[in-house]
Amino acid sequence: GQQLNQSPQSMFIQEGEDVSMNCTSSSIFNTWLWYKQDPGEGPVLLIALYKAGELTSNGRLTAQFGITRKDSFLNISASIPSDVGIYFCAGQDTGANNLFFGTGTRLTVIP
Amino acid sequence: EAQVTQNPRYLITVTGKKLTVTCSQNMNHEYMSWYRQDPGLGLRQIYYSMNVEVTDKGDVPEGYKVSRKEKRNFPLILESPSPNQTSLYFCASSLSYGNTIYFGEGSWLTVV
Repeated sequence: GQQLNQSPQSMFIQEGEDVSMNCTSSSIFNTWLWYKQDPGEGPVLLIALYKAGELTSNGRLTAQFGITRKDSFLNISASIPSDVGIYFCAGQDTGANNLFFGTGTRLTVIP
Repeated sequence: EAQVTQNPRYLITVTGKKLTVTCSQNMNHEYMSWYRQDPGLGLRQIYYSMNVEVTDKGDVPEGYKVSRKEKRNFPLILESPSPNQTSLYFCASSLSYGNTIYFGEGSWLTVV
């Protein structure tokens, strides 16, 4: 399968700080997705990106679809304790039938 | 309430004893899939189904079977489980491929 490299693997930050994470791929994708997984739950979609260069926000979250179509970035501003969880990027190619996930970024927010 | 329901949520079983993890969705979704989640590897797709009676292998299908006899159900079958199938399994569905994917709550499976 296609490899999606997500970094950092884990982050410990103070409440109120901004967070950045990114995802890179060896292949081009037509869609990039960002999910959050809370402990004991399945992943929940945060943001979907459909066009190279697209910048999309969802509250304090902002994600960008890289120009090369091989990467994507997620930023969280002014973090709060409920931001704790694992964040996954995922790439989707409309020519195939798979959704490929990154390895995840575990975020810990210290109050 | 729209949901994807998996059962069991937790299971400890022995090597070689056949088991089935059920998955049901109440959203009339065409697309369903199974993933396993392992530390450091993210979620990897096992099998997926584009519609009733249509199933295909994902990235890691070895040791698993699926069936899609009706739209709402997509069971995952481990004919002869082995310890390397110890993992957290997620079922997911979407209206059709390319639409928002909804995940179940996960099934923790331990094979000893």
